[in-house]
Amino acid sequence: AQSVSQHNHHVILSEAASLELGCNYSYGGTVNLFWYVQYPGQHLQLLLKYFSGDPLVKGIKGFEAEFIKSKFSFNLRKPSVQWSDTAEYFCAVMGPGSARQLTFGSGTQLTVLP
Amino acid sequence: ETGVTQSPTHLIKTRGQQVTLRCSSQSGHNTVSWYQQALGQGPQFIFQYYREEENGRGNFPPRFSGLQFPNYSSELNVNALELDDSALYLCASSSRGQTYEQYFGPGTRLTVT
Repeated sequence: AQSVSQHNHHVILSEAASLELGCNYSYGGTVNLFWYVQYPGQHLQLLLKYFSGDPLVKGIKGFEAEFIKSKFSFNLRKPSVQWSDTAEYFCAVMGPGSARQLTFGSGTQLTVLP
Repeated sequence: ETGVTQSPTHLIKTRGQQVTLRCSSQSGHNTVSWYQQALGQGPQFIFQYYREEENGRGNFPPRFSGLQFPNYSSELNVNALELDDSALYLCASSSRGQTYEQYFGPGTRLTVT
């Protein structure tokens, strides 16, 4: 069974600092990878996704992620965070079965101090 | 374009009772997936419905069941509620044959006392 690990449970940064959130997955086959964000009081929103092609994926709000197959990683980055980036971030891998269900990591709470 | 909606927003039930949660999929989407998100955890896949039939199931007991209707809306039913069923239940809709990208609703917060 596939699994996703997010090693940083809570990250605190000051505005303008650079961000990198780690994500490692266990599935060895072809993978589709996602980052979702959950702002306080809001529903899960898709930040970016990787299906194939260029391993450096750009998403909304200046976020990007790099797929490194040899390291089974899909880390999320942003060069300069803002207070409004305070949220919980989830990495997910899409399964190979007909349901194509998502397996999520446990999430990383990002707090950006003004 | 109407997004995914869920009802009710919050629900409080007693252990042993039964509950039904509802989800309306996004316009143009024919597939609905349900997830359980316990406090401090990522969402866990319960099951998926496509063409009114269950199409994949996670590691949840049979007392978790569902339905999908011709208009693609869906229900999640949980029988014999347990305290550990307290969680945020998320519905996600998608369109098979596309990128399978899932769009999530706001969730139903279920508290079992």
